[in-house]
Amino acid sequence: DAKTTQPNSMESNEEEPVHLPCNHSTISGTDYIHWYRQLPSQGPEYVIHGLTSNVNNRMASLAIAEDRKSSTLILHRATLRDAAVYYCILRSGTYKYIFGTGTRLKVLA
Amino acid sequence: SAVISQKPSRDICQRGTSLTIQCQVDSQVTMMFWYRQQPGQSLTLIATANQGSEATYESGFVIDKFPISRPNLTFSTLTVSNMSPEDSSIYLCSVDKGLYNEQFFGPGTRLTVL
Repeated sequence: DAKTTQPNSMESNEEEPVHLPCNHSTISGTDYIHWYRQLPSQGPEYVIHGLTSNVNNRMASLAIAEDRKSSTLILHRATLRDAAVYYCILRSGTYKYIFGTGTRLKVLA
Repeated sequence: SAVISQKPSRDICQRGTSLTIQCQVDSQVTMMFWYRQQPGQSLTLIATANQGSEATYESGFVIDKFPISRPNLTFSTLTVSNMSPEDSSIYLCSVDKGLYNEQFFGPGTRLTVL
């Protein structure tokens, strides 16, 4: 299973954009890039996913490098409720998610 | 989407005993997954449970320690057997659902073994 590398932690000020990076240099052509986040005392929740093109939804944007070896989750305006651990996961034809260590995002008021 | 509930939400157990965790989904799903999240750690997949077949366990997890049942398409149980303090973790179930087959997770069961 392909692996991802993320910074352990990041900080952001409230109302400012946040860029959460993820490296996945061993990604294969069929791997989708998924992002989940885990709020305190909750199970992970889906944020966004993509294959090659950049993606936008109501929660976030996903920017994927042209060579697909890295991606960035973008929260356009961080709020205190966005404080969570963010996981970048590669998923191919298998159903399994292999969670990495994730990035703990702290949002400062 | 899918709404998942787990019982119990938390428990404190004695060493050597067993605990069965229930996972209920509000709709029929083919695959259900069980994860363990040790204190301060990420999630580790324990096994995949399909209805009508034996669960498939990941490396490092065995059926004798973590027996799983999947009697129908909306329910599964995970038993943590012969518990030791090292089993103190949050146990989460999840299902594949949704437009993009994203996974939906239950709230977790926080287990403390004394």
